[in-house]
Amino acid sequence: KQEVTQIPAALSVPEGENLVLNCSFTDSAIYNLQWFRQDPGKGLTSLLLIQSSQREQTSGRLNASLDKSSGRSTLYIAASQPGDSATYLCAVIETGANNLFFGTGTRLTVIP
Amino acid sequence: KAGVTQTPRYLIKTRGQQVTLSCSPISGHRSVSWYQQTPGQGLQFLFEYFSETQRNKGNFPGRFSGRQFSNSRSEMNVSTLELGDSALYLCASSPQSGRDEQFFGPGTRLTVL
Repeated sequence: KQEVTQIPAALSVPEGENLVLNCSFTDSAIYNLQWFRQDPGKGLTSLLLIQSSQREQTSGRLNASLDKSSGRSTLYIAASQPGDSATYLCAVIETGANNLFFGTGTRLTVIP
Repeated sequence: KAGVTQTPRYLIKTRGQQVTLSCSPISGHRSVSWYQQTPGQGLQFLFEYFSETQRNKGNFPGRFSGRQFSNSRSEMNVSTLELGDSALYLCASSPQSGRDEQFFGPGTRLTVL
């Protein structure tokens, strides 16, 4: 059974710092991986989608990488800002499935 | 382009009642998926609809059901509510399939007393 784990569960950093969030999954037979952010009490905002054939995707200050063989993805946030404070979730779609399987999330706080 | 909308945003019900939640996908999107989010279990997949047909279902009891209309709008229904059904219910839409990039609505916060 697929398990998606995100470490750390919580992270506090000073404004301006670069940071890396980690996501690991146990079954490497995935179709794609998607990163989201969730603000308290709100829905999910899609950040980046990486297809299984891709190694990374970039959007602005965000860069996500995927190493399918080792079951890992990282989300790199450059020059963090207080507005980046949120919970970050990664989710995979397994080969043959149509639904997202979510990780446990990392709660990020960027201190001004 | 308008995003995914969900109504109502908040609901309070008592045990044993039933509830219906509504989701309007992004215009042109034909796939709608539903997820339940709780502090203990995190985000879990409920079901996916495409062209008015349930295409995929998660591991939830039969009290949870849904449907999709010809305009791609979707509803989910929970009958005989239990305290454990208290959760944030999220709807996501995608162009053709749950495999496409999914876009989420703001959610409906259901509280069961």
